[in-house]
Amino acid sequence: GENVEQHPSTLSVQEGDSAVIKCTYSDSASNYFPWYKQELGKRPQLIIDIRSNVGEKKDQRIAVTLNKTAKHFSLHITETQPEDSAVYFCAATKTGANNLFFGTGTRLTVIP
Amino acid sequence: NAGVTQTPKFQVLKTGQSMTLQCAQDMNHNSMYWYRQDPGMGLRLIYYSASEGTTDKGEVPNGYNVSRLNKREFSLRLESAAPSQTSVYFCASSERGWGTVSSYEQYFGPGTRLTVT
Repeated sequence: GENVEQHPSTLSVQEGDSAVIKCTYSDSASNYFPWYKQELGKRPQLIIDIRSNVGEKKDQRIAVTLNKTAKHFSLHITETQPEDSAVYFCAATKTGANNLFFGTGTRLTVIP
Repeated sequence: NAGVTQTPKFQVLKTGQSMTLQCAQDMNHNSMYWYRQDPGMGLRLIYYSASEGTTDKGEVPNGYNVSRLNKREFSLRLESAAPSQTSVYFCASSERGWGTVSSYEQYFGPGTRLTVT
């Protein structure tokens, strides 16, 4: 099955700086890559996703890039704010699969 | 539209006791999932139900059973609780229409914090 690895496990940045979280996947057939944000004590929620036919997708201060050849994808957060502090999970799956395969999460702390 | 709901929110059990965690969704989704979340371990899939009437094991199924009662409800049962099952349990659902990759978006419930002493 699919194996998703995520790095780093923790990340601290100063408010206003950028943050980058990276994930790699093993199944070259994977074609859907979502990112979830989990605030402290809350449920995970989808913040952005990308399909394999697209190399980059942006939504305001967040962006995701995908390199199919290298089988890795990254989350970029620019101009970080304290409310960006959370655990972020990447995931991967493919058409016909029964579930998402999650990375182990990155705890992002934005220091005011 | 409540989304995904879970009961109870908190539970304390003694070793050997049994209990059932309830999950329901009102989005007419086909697929439902049970995860456990432990510190530093991310989200680990316990069981899933790809469609009404089917259930399958995930990554960590030992010690658990599930029932897909109908399209809306998916319950998780601990027959004989152990301290290793202390965790936060999340139920999730997704539309998962065939051939529609974006329908894999999973909607999570608020979680159940379970402590086994």
